[in-house]
Amino acid sequence: DTAVSQTPKYLVTQMGNDKSIKCEQNLGHDTMYWYKQDSKKFLKIMFSYNNKELIINETVPNRFSPKSPDKAHLNLHINSLELGDSAVYFCASNGRLNTEAFFGQGTRLTVV
Amino acid sequence: AQKITQTQPGMFVQEKEAVTLDCTYDTSDPSYGLFWYKQPSSGEMIFLIYQGSYDQQNATEGRYSLNFQKARKSANLVISASQLGDSAMYFCAMMGTSGSARQLTFGSGTQLTVLP
Repeated sequence: DTAVSQTPKYLVTQMGNDKSIKCEQNLGHDTMYWYKQDSKKFLKIMFSYNNKELIINETVPNRFSPKSPDKAHLNLHINSLELGDSAVYFCASNGRLNTEAFFGQGTRLTVV
Repeated sequence: AQKITQTQPGMFVQEKEAVTLDCTYDTSDPSYGLFWYKQPSSGEMIFLIYQGSYDQQNATEGRYSLNFQKARKSANLVISASQLGDSAMYFCAMMGTSGSARQLTFGSGTQLTVLP
């Protein structure tokens, strides 16, 4: 029973392409996030959604667009991919009590 | 704004010994949570332990314990009886409780190597 699942795990694509990463959680959590981990392992928030409403929208290029069709899903669409977008992208979720926060397996995006 | 500082980029420990990974934080929120995650070489982020700012007792989960010193703004992770499988990157993080503070802010991580 995977709590937070994201697909795909690996994504290799050419510059200029558009790609999506999907995320689903079955924990009943009301908040979901996208984080980016760079080559130095630093983790930075990109977006957060609470009950389908955008709460946090950090300074990321507008080529990145999150979509939350319901509170169990938060997808990330990236347009016109650039070499610098290569990173590991993590989806995460946490509940109202804020006592736990779980991550998906990560998506390693490589732009060539 | 929230800030997490992990001053140990790398640590070594002998198998079966205990090790402490340091974490200090800064926040103006009166209520917050502190988290530790393990990231093995396979890449997944594994939630280890949580401490609430109003919790009176230090959190423990199996071989993991969190040494929470609120006045010093520190939340060190103690791993007892280290095992080879504990070799990984460890991240300290904090989260506020409302609005835009309700996000995990991470430190830069500590790479722990357990020696046989």
